[in-house]
Amino acid sequence: RKEVEQDPGPFNVPEGATVAFNCTYSNSASQSFFWYRQDCRKEPKLLMSVYSSGNEDGRFTAQLNRASQYISLLIRDSKLSDSATYLCVVKWGGSEKLVFGKGTKLTVNP
Amino acid sequence: GAVVSQHPSRVICKSGTSVKIECRSLDFQATTMFWYRQFPKKSLMLMATSNEGSKATYEQGVEKDKFLINHASLTLSTLTVTSAHPEDSSFYICSAREEGLPLGSYNEQFFGPGTRLTVL
Repeated sequence: RKEVEQDPGPFNVPEGATVAFNCTYSNSASQSFFWYRQDCRKEPKLLMSVYSSGNEDGRFTAQLNRASQYISLLIRDSKLSDSATYLCVVKWGGSEKLVFGKGTKLTVNP
Repeated sequence: GAVVSQHPSRVICKSGTSVKIECRSLDFQATTMFWYRQFPKKSLMLMATSNEGSKATYEQGVEKDKFLINHASLTLSTLTVTSAHPEDSSFYICSAREEGLPLGSYNEQFFGPGTRLTVL
């Protein structure tokens, strides 16, 4: 099983659509989870942390299911500027090491 | 957020040469910096953890003699790709973690803009 696995994508959606990304991780000892966004040929930037109770930041909602080792990101009312690759990231076990998923590319079309 | 710079942003070199990439934390001190590599359409892979004043910790499968890391100050880490070959062509990204935050804070890793290495 891959360490951090994401939907392969790519996702092409119209403006205003709701889109969901899924991610699973293999290390049950991991405690911290994040979604990063990476624009083409740029560095990744932190979008949001993922908390056990689920958390929301504007149009973005992140969920965590520890029992299933599953993380999700929901984007509502998608904008053209949301077009990017979304990376699921897990702080591995009790270490400081970040393990990245391969990313899911999103294109929002006018 | 905190700023991390990398230099150069892009380098093209001949096979067999060595290339040095610098990673600087501009407005904070970083005892620990991380070096990642990203091949096209692949995920970022951690290569090594750079510790100020001590030897770097390399991930399994990463040759320490090939990828030399020096973290001589709290704001600078360098990665030298020695005797570069075409298969070393990749996007190299560093990150730095801000030290001295209150207990319980999340020590976010701030990423540099990356260095695109092409070995001919």
